[in-house]
Amino acid sequence: SQKIEQNSEALNIQEGKTATLTCNYTNYSPAYLQWYRQDPGRGPVFLLLIRENEKEKRKERLKVTFDTTLKQSLFHITASQPADSATYLCALTMDSSYKLIFGSGTRLLVRP
Amino acid sequence: DVKVTQSSRYLVKRTGEKVFLECVQDMDHENMFWYRQDPGLGLRLIYFSYDVKMKEKGDIPEGYSVSREKKERFSLILESASTNQTSMYLCASTSPSYEQYFGPGTRLTVT
Repeated sequence: SQKIEQNSEALNIQEGKTATLTCNYTNYSPAYLQWYRQDPGRGPVFLLLIRENEKEKRKERLKVTFDTTLKQSLFHITASQPADSATYLCALTMDSSYKLIFGSGTRLLVRP
Repeated sequence: DVKVTQSSRYLVKRTGEKVFLECVQDMDHENMFWYRQDPGLGLRLIYFSYDVKMKEKGDIPEGYSVSREKKERFSLILESASTNQTSMYLCASTSPSYEQYFGPGTRLTVT
């Protein structure tokens, strides 16, 4: 069956450290993989998109990697801050479709 | 900045009522989506629309219908609300480069 898996346990780290979140998928061949941030009671906010032929993408303190052989994406936040505390969702896009398939998200808590 | 607005942040309805949730986007996006989000189940696609008057079922369309009469507006309709439709409803539109922009969400409670 098709699955997108994100660690359901919250990730708890100290301010200043690098947070690394994982997204694994099975039985999909995504053309794109995206990461979103969601704060409680709010809609998700787009962060980064990476294409299947890209290995890595960066934006300020954020970095995403995409390994289509391992069927895995890693999302890194360097020099993490308490304001980075939120739930982070990964999402897959197939081919030219605009539909997204979302993982259930990982909650990140950055301690001051 | 892309803006997606939803008609209500909080809504309380009775079982059996017809419920309209409205979504408006201001970026001339062709594709629009309705999701519901429940704890432990993540975001699930109800319906989407890729053009005016065009719609396609998502993963959980039962009990819902949609309307897209104008490009900027996408409405979700609960024909006869039931308690199992209590949820957070999120609308989104997609840019040509595949990023989705979400509205603030409507927390619907059906009693």
